[in-house]
Amino acid sequence: SAVISQKPSRDICQRGTSLTIQCQVDSQVTMMFWYRQQPGQSLTLIATANQGSEATYESGFVIDKFPISRPNLTFSTLTVSNMSPEDSSIYLCSADKQGAAEAFFGQGTRLTVV
Amino acid sequence: GDSVTQMEGPVTLSEEAFLTINCTYTATGYPSLFWYVQYPGEGLQLLLKATKADDKGSNKGFEATYRKETTSFHLEKGSVQVSDSAVYFCALHTGFQKLVFGTGTRLLVSP
Repeated sequence: SAVISQKPSRDICQRGTSLTIQCQVDSQVTMMFWYRQQPGQSLTLIATANQGSEATYESGFVIDKFPISRPNLTFSTLTVSNMSPEDSSIYLCSADKQGAAEAFFGQGTRLTVV
Repeated sequence: GDSVTQMEGPVTLSEEAFLTINCTYTATGYPSLFWYVQYPGEGLQLLLKATKADDKGSNKGFEATYRKETTSFHLEKGSVQVSDSAVYFCALHTGFQKLVFGTGTRLLVSP
């Protein structure tokens, strides 16, 4: 298994500012992902965080708005830039471990933009 | 592309009632199938999984059987409790690719 620690767990931010969310896994993992869950909605994949290269973004998400880093096999960050109230969501980090046949999730970051 | 279709909620039940939440999928290859649960104010937790056809995943009284012939993975519980009130997500996972989630089904259990 893999234990994922995500921080902050929640934050209230002013519009126009940026927030960086950190995701730490307790063991090396192959793939890391960032999801968004808007209020009352399902999870939508933002991007796949690639170690040592640029993240792979899903349709509707761009690097300028959601820059992602993954400097090693156990850590990733997601920045939500120039925030607006529409960015208020839960952001979840997920990791995929070879041979585990399942994905593991952090507890999520509940972001409120005012 | 791969997709998951879940029954819409909310599902409202009385305590000790039988629960079924339908889930069907479309996928290339042979996906693993999952049910995740999200309790109020919390993140996602894996409830159960099945990695191949005819596998039955089970946990906390919940069960789901991977039915390849009907491309289904319905979640069942014989007797629900108030504490089972949550949102349940069906999902599929193909190797190292992303998880594809259904829209989620909210379960409300009343005493």
